Amino acid sequence: AQKITQTQPGMFVQEKEAVTLDCTYDTSDQSYGLFWYKQPSSGEMIFLIYQGSYDEQNATEGRYSLNFQKARKSANLVISASQLGDSAMYFCAMRETMIYNQGGKLIFGQGTELSVKP
Amino acid sequence: NAGVTQTPKFRVLKTGQSMTLLCAQDMNHEYMYWYRQDPGMGLRLIHYSVGEGTTAKGEVPDGYNVSRLKKQNFLLGLESAAPSQTSVYFCASSYGREKLFFGSGTQLSVL
Repeated sequence: AQKITQTQPGMFVQEKEAVTLDCTYDTSDQSYGLFWYKQPSSGEMIFLIYQGSYDEQNATEGRYSLNFQKARKSANLVISASQLGDSAMYFCAMRETMIYNQGGKLIFGQGTELSVKP
Repeated sequence: NAGVTQTPKFRVLKTGQSMTLLCAQDMNHEYMYWYRQDPGMGLRLIHYSVGEGTTAKGEVPDGYNVSRLKKQNFLLGLESAAPSQTSVYFCASSYGREKLFFGSGTQLSVL
């Protein structure tokens, strides 16, 4: 069965420093997608970054980058130059199936709560 | 564009009561989903739909029913609410297998 694991329930980082949030996944599919979402205290789910399993380059979106190590089945999120507004819950997710007519349903990890200290 | 809109935002029920959560999207997405979020467990898929008139079970479908009579709407029903259904419910939609767009969530408490 496909599974996402985030082993860090909570993390602290100093403002302006970089931080890495860990995510490992388990799947027997050759083709899959990995996502990171941010959930601030207000509760909404905000898409951050996406990595396809066949993408040769690691995905980047502004201060966010995804450290994709396919052989190790890890998809860690790196946030550079942390800001106070980065304090939130972060979820790693995997697209569960590549069967087209089953849509893009995601399975989520348990989340990591990041706190940025001034 | 409003994106994905969920109503209501908060609701308190007594055990055994019924209710319907409404999700509406204005992006013409084919796929819609209902998730629940519980502390320490991330988001878990309840039901989903791959198009108007279709529904399918997700990971935790028991105690819930859904309907998608119109492409833009996806309803989640609780026929007889139980305290175990106290949770935050999120609706989402997507265009194919792209990223999911989420609503703002519904906080449901069952007493």
